[in-house]
Amino acid sequence: EVQLVESGGGLVQPGGSLRLSCAASGFTFSAYWMSWVRQAPGKGLEWVANIKQDGSEKYYVDSVKGRFTISRDNAKDAVYLQMDSLRAEDTAVYYCAREGYCGSSSCPVQHWGQGTLVTASS
Amino acid sequence: DIVLAQSPDSLAVSLGERATINCKSSQSVLYSSNNKNYLAWYQQKPGQPPKLLIYWASTRESGVPDRFSGSGSGTDFTLTISSLQAEDVAVYYCQQYYGTPYTFGQGTKLEIK
Repeated sequence: EVQLVESGGGLVQPGGSLRLSCAASGFTFSAYWMSWVRQAPGKGLEWVANIKQDGSEKYYVDSVKGRFTISRDNAKDAVYLQMDSLRAEDTAVYYCAREGYCGSSSCPVQHWGQGTLVTASS
Repeated sequence: DIVLAQSPDSLAVSLGERATINCKSSQSVLYSSNNKNYLAWYQQKPGQPPKLLIYWASTRESGVPDRFSGSGSGTDFTLTISSLQAEDVAVYYCQQYYGTPYTFGQGTKLEIK
């Protein structure tokens, strides 16, 4: 069974930093693209970033470019999201997500974690 | 960035009746080399993460009831629930994975009439 467990969320002051972690199990982690998707309270879904199987390609939504960094450790079956210069508008539940397997083609998110809440507030 | 606009924002349908949700893309998400539409549909119930229902615009994910179906191509897509059940109350999102950033529609809230 695919399991994705996020950790590292919490309350941080605007301008501060936080590192989210996602522990994966139940599948061959190194074979899949991984993503982070967020959802502000009472709002819709926003794709944040994704990372290729070997970490050689990373993509971000414009609103987090230069502030957030996605990374992975295939030896530990984990993906991370380093969030710097946090803003109030970054307040959201952050979901770790595994994309499907579509060969060389991009793929939708197939599995989701339960999410971790990040609150940027003074 | 590709913008997805869903309609309606909310919808109330009687049990057993058909529910239809639309998703319009600001540009085509049909990849000509493989003739696939890079469009997915998700269901999100309160307090839960989203669940993948449909991908490639019309392929049902394993385990999804066959009352859920997806259709459309290019820029216009539809999610249809053929006979609404109580457990289908949720917010539904379309998402394009044609190009990054992989944008979502704003969501459609489905309720029982």
